[in-house]
Amino acid sequence: EVQLVESGGGLVQPGGSLRLSCAASGFTFSTYAMSWVRQAPGKGLEWVSDISGSGSGGATEYVDSVRGRFTISRDNSRNTLYLQMNSLRVEDTAVYYCVKDRGSSSGWGFDCWGQGTLVIVSS
Amino acid sequence: EVVLTQSPGTLSLSPGERATLSCRASQSVSSSYLAWYQQKPGQAPRLLIYGASSRASGIPDRFIGTGSGTDFTLTISRLEPEDFAVYYCQQYGGSRILTFGPGTKVDIK
Repeated sequence: EVQLVESGGGLVQPGGSLRLSCAASGFTFSTYAMSWVRQAPGKGLEWVSDISGSGSGGATEYVDSVRGRFTISRDNSRNTLYLQMNSLRVEDTAVYYCVKDRGSSSGWGFDCWGQGTLVIVSS
Repeated sequence: EVVLTQSPGTLSLSPGERATLSCRASQSVSSSYLAWYQQKPGQAPRLLIYGASSRASGIPDRFIGTGSGTDFTLTISRLEPEDFAVYYCQQYGGSRILTFGPGTKVDIK
């Protein structure tokens, strides 16, 4: 069974840092592109960042609002995806989902979603 | 950046009725990179349609995706009680940026 399990969310002050992790199982993790998607309370979905699979060179991309503050990475030996979040802002408050793409590069559809981890940025 | 607009914002229908959801892009989108998702309260989204018209694994055939260019449609041929949810379209563009539409809520009339 394909499974994604996020961890690392919590309450952090503005300007603080947090690292999210996503443990993957049930598929060949290194092959597939992975993304982080967030959802602010009561709002819609927002793609945050992606990293391509090994066949596509592990390229990364970010939405403008987090570029320079967030860093996505993956450890294929541990089947784990990460999101390092620095200089957090109140507007980063959201449930963060780890998602798997159908392909080695992004855009083919997110066919597996984790349960989400809540990040609250507040003083 | 491609902006997706979904209409209507809310669709109030009864079980057994047909639902037609629209997703319009601010510029042409490759059909290969257009997807639809369903989200129920308290749950993660679920992939329904990829490549504009291909159903994901386990998705009933009452979910039909069509369209090309800038206009895409998700049709639910006969609404079942479990279909009342929020639906999002998503695209992936040449700039490697993915975007979601704002969503259409299908609720019970």
